[in-house]
Amino acid sequence: GNSVTQMEGPVTLSEEAFLTINCTYTATGYPSLFWYVQYPGEGLQLLLKATKADDKGSNKGFEATYRKETTSFHLEKGSVQVSDSAVYFCALSGTGTYKYIFGTGTRLKVLA
Amino acid sequence: EAQVTQNPRYLITVTGKKLTVTCSQNMNHEYMSWYRQDPGLGLRQIYYSMNVEVTDKGDVPEGYKVSRKEKRNFPLILESPSPNQTSLYFCASSLNGANVLTFGAGSRLTVL
Repeated sequence: GNSVTQMEGPVTLSEEAFLTINCTYTATGYPSLFWYVQYPGEGLQLLLKATKADDKGSNKGFEATYRKETTSFHLEKGSVQVSDSAVYFCALSGTGTYKYIFGTGTRLKVLA
Repeated sequence: EAQVTQNPRYLITVTGKKLTVTCSQNMNHEYMSWYRQDPGLGLRQIYYSMNVEVTDKGDVPEGYKVSRKEKRNFPLILESPSPNQTSLYFCASSLNGANVLTFGAGSRLTVL
């Protein structure tokens, strides 16, 4: 079945550091891939998405590229801010199914 | 404002006392789903619904019931709660099962 694996946290960075959160997936067909972010005390919200191979999703300085050859969708940001401290979830929506699969989440803490 | 509304946000109850967590969306979405979030396990799907009167089990349906009598509402019912159902619950909706999910703010349930 489909699955998502993302790096375990927590990840602690200084402000303006470079961020990478790894995400790999297993799926048949051509799933859509997503990154969601959860700020403290809130529900998840979409950060970015990509629906086909080689698509790059981007939002608020975050980017992720859908790599079918490596089955990956790594999240990157060139310069993190304290306000980026949150939990980040990688997710996929499989073709022909109505089931989202979420990774276990990666907590990011950015220090001033 | 487009939103998913869950109630209650916080609830402490005792083993065996039936409870219902309500979920309502105002976006005319076809698809609605319930998740539970537990430390180290990420989000796991409990039940989902593709449309009125159409529901199906997710990954962890045991101990839960749902109904979809109206398009906008998708309540989660715990007929006889047990301590292992202590968790943070999220309701989410989307246009269809493959699209971006809009999440509610979450309901933190404690079963003593």
